[in-house]
Amino acid sequence: SAVISQKPSRDICQRGTSLTIQCQVDSQVTMMFWYRQQPGQSLTLIATANQGSEATYESGFVIDKFPISRPNLTFSTLTVSNMSPEDSSIYLCSVEQGANTEAFFGQGTRLTVV
Amino acid sequence: GQQVMQIPQYQHVQEGEDFTTYCNSSTTLSNIQWYKQRPGGHPVFLIQLVKSGEVKKQKRLTFQFGEAKKNSSLHITATQTTDVGTYFCAGGEGFKTIFGAGTRLFVKA
Repeated sequence: SAVISQKPSRDICQRGTSLTIQCQVDSQVTMMFWYRQQPGQSLTLIATANQGSEATYESGFVIDKFPISRPNLTFSTLTVSNMSPEDSSIYLCSVEQGANTEAFFGQGTRLTVV
Repeated sequence: GQQVMQIPQYQHVQEGEDFTTYCNSSTTLSNIQWYKQRPGGHPVFLIQLVKSGEVKKQKRLTFQFGEAKKNSSLHITATQTTDVGTYFCAGGEGFKTIFGAGTRLFVKA
C-alpha cells in the first residue's frame, strides 16, 4: 500500500492567481496521476506525471494551464494557473505501483475560485 | 479512446434491500477495478478482477467480470447504512485508469 499526503486540503483563491498542490508519497511509486472531480461527478484524468520528463496531458488539458512537476518517484505538484471560477473543483492525486494496479488516492484538494 | 459507462447514476434503497451497479466498456478490458467513495472522502480501492467470467466476494459484496471482459457488476446483498457512497468502476487503458461515471447509493434506514 501507499500513504499519500496531499496539501492543501482546501483553499479559496482569487481569480487570476495560481495555486500549487503537492502530493507526497511514503514510498517510491511508478505511476502518479492527477484527477479533477466536480462535486457529484466522476474523476476526470488531467495528466500522468512522469518522473524526470514532461507530464502527459489528456485531451482538454494543457501544460500552460496545469503545469506539473515530478522531480522524483515520491513527489509531484500540480499548479492551477490563472484561475477562474470554472476551475473550482476537487483535485486528487493518485499513485499506482504498476500500470492498471490498485490506485491509492490523496485526500484531495477542494479549490474554490472567487 | 476507451469509454467506461456505468448505470444507474443514482439508486435509493431501503436498508436491507439489495443493490446492483453495472459497468460497460466500449473495448475489451485487461482488468477492471471497483472503488468506493464516501461523501466528502476520496476513492478507496475495493477489488480488481482480471480473468474472464471471474467472480469475487467480499462479505455482502459480489463482483463479476463478464466473459467478454467488457462488462462488470457489483452487487450488494442486504444493504446497510454504512454502504452509502458512490461506487466507481475503472478500466485500464494503457498506463491510465479510466473511471466510470459512478453510481451513488442512498440507503434509507
